[in-house]
Amino acid sequence: SQTIHQWPATLVQPVGSPLSLECTVEGTSNPNLYWYRQAAGRGLQLLFYSVGIGQISSEVPQNLSASRPQDRQFILSSKKLLLSDSGFYLCAWSGAWNQPQHFGDGTRLSIL
Amino acid sequence: SQQGEEDPQALSIQEGENATMNCSYKTSINNLQWYRQNSGRGLVHLILIRSNEREKHSGRLRVTLDTSKKSSSLLITASRAADTASYFCATEYDMRGKLIFGQGTELSVKP
Repeated sequence: SQTIHQWPATLVQPVGSPLSLECTVEGTSNPNLYWYRQAAGRGLQLLFYSVGIGQISSEVPQNLSASRPQDRQFILSSKKLLLSDSGFYLCAWSGAWNQPQHFGDGTRLSIL
Repeated sequence: SQQGEEDPQALSIQEGENATMNCSYKTSINNLQWYRQNSGRGLVHLILIRSNEREKHSGRLRVTLDTSKKSSSLLITASRAADTASYFCATEYDMRGKLIFGQGTELSVKP
């Protein structure tokens, strides 16, 4: 069966520090991969999506970037975190369009 | 904005009662999906209903879709305390699988 792993679960970082969040998927090949951010009490905002290795599309201009170095690995990064980068970050995968997405357990990022 | 809107924002019911949540959206869609989120956790997929479908069932869940009104509803029958969670609708509108999420309905089921 397919599983998705996302880590760390929580992270506290100072303003201006770098960020690397990792997401890996097991049990499937060539998944579509997604990074979302969820503000407290709000819906999810799509940040990045990828349909293949090295193929990244950004949905909103921001201080973050994403990379897909391997088929089932999706990384969210920042060179210098801002206070506004705080939030709950969720990674998800799907087999294709018109199919459900499957989410990891998320990373709660707090910027101090 | 293409983002969907959910109604109500919060719903409190007693165990055994039915819970109905509504979702409206703005553009034509491939499908509409419902997800559940327990506090501080990731989202769990509940039901996907395609644009050519009008109703789907899964256990105690019933989803309807009215594309002429651009709206959907999620009905949870015979609710349980364990159904307490936030419920989100999401619409897929292109062939890249991108979803637009609503703001969610926070459901509280009291024992």
